Amino acid sequence: EAQVTQNPRYLITVTGKKLTVTCSQNMNHEYMSWYRQDPGLGLRQIYYSMNVEVTDKGDVPEGYKVSRKEKRNFPLILESPSPNQTSLYFCASSLQGRGTGELFFGEGSRLTVL
Amino acid sequence: GDSVTQMEGPVTLSEEAFLTINCTYTATGYPSLFWYVQYPGEGLQLLLKATKADDKGSNKGFEATYRKETTSFHLEKGSVQVSDSAVYFCALKDTGFQKLVFGTGTRLLVSP
Repeated sequence: EAQVTQNPRYLITVTGKKLTVTCSQNMNHEYMSWYRQDPGLGLRQIYYSMNVEVTDKGDVPEGYKVSRKEKRNFPLILESPSPNQTSLYFCASSLQGRGTGELFFGEGSRLTVL
Repeated sequence: GDSVTQMEGPVTLSEEAFLTINCTYTATGYPSLFWYVQYPGEGLQLLLKATKADDKGSNKGFEATYRKETTSFHLEKGSVQVSDSAVYFCALKDTGFQKLVFGTGTRLLVSP
């Protein structure tokens, strides 16, 4: 089954404790991206990757890091989480970055930073 | 920059009622337009899309027409069901760009 898998789905952590949210897709997609969803703000892009070893900042990259060492994986790293990073995070992928292809989303990871 | 504006929710309807969710956009190029749906506890999934002016996207009884003259892409359904209760996001992707720009989402609640 074609899917984007995120882990963990739910996480409560404390300020400053490094964490990683994993994302994996099994569709051989070139393009992957991270979004955060906040009430009243919709989805905002954090980082994206056009292909292996190619990553770039989205609209709200501060406080986040990413890497793309393999085509299928695109982890989101919070080196020192803060309460303003409490949010619902979505990983997404598509066949290519440009064009009008469908973006496939994971089920989301709800993060709470105390 | 590019932006998408959706009507505030929630939209509350009775089953079999007619649905319209308004969406307007601002873009510098020639964007493609999308509606995504998010069911409770799930990620977003593509509902329909239109890639050029006057195109009509349709799926599962939902329709939306790309209106360049009014910069709009309103979502419509003739008869909603309880199972249509979800959050609906309008989005655009501008020419040559790699990201989707989303609206804030509109929650639809359908009661029996």
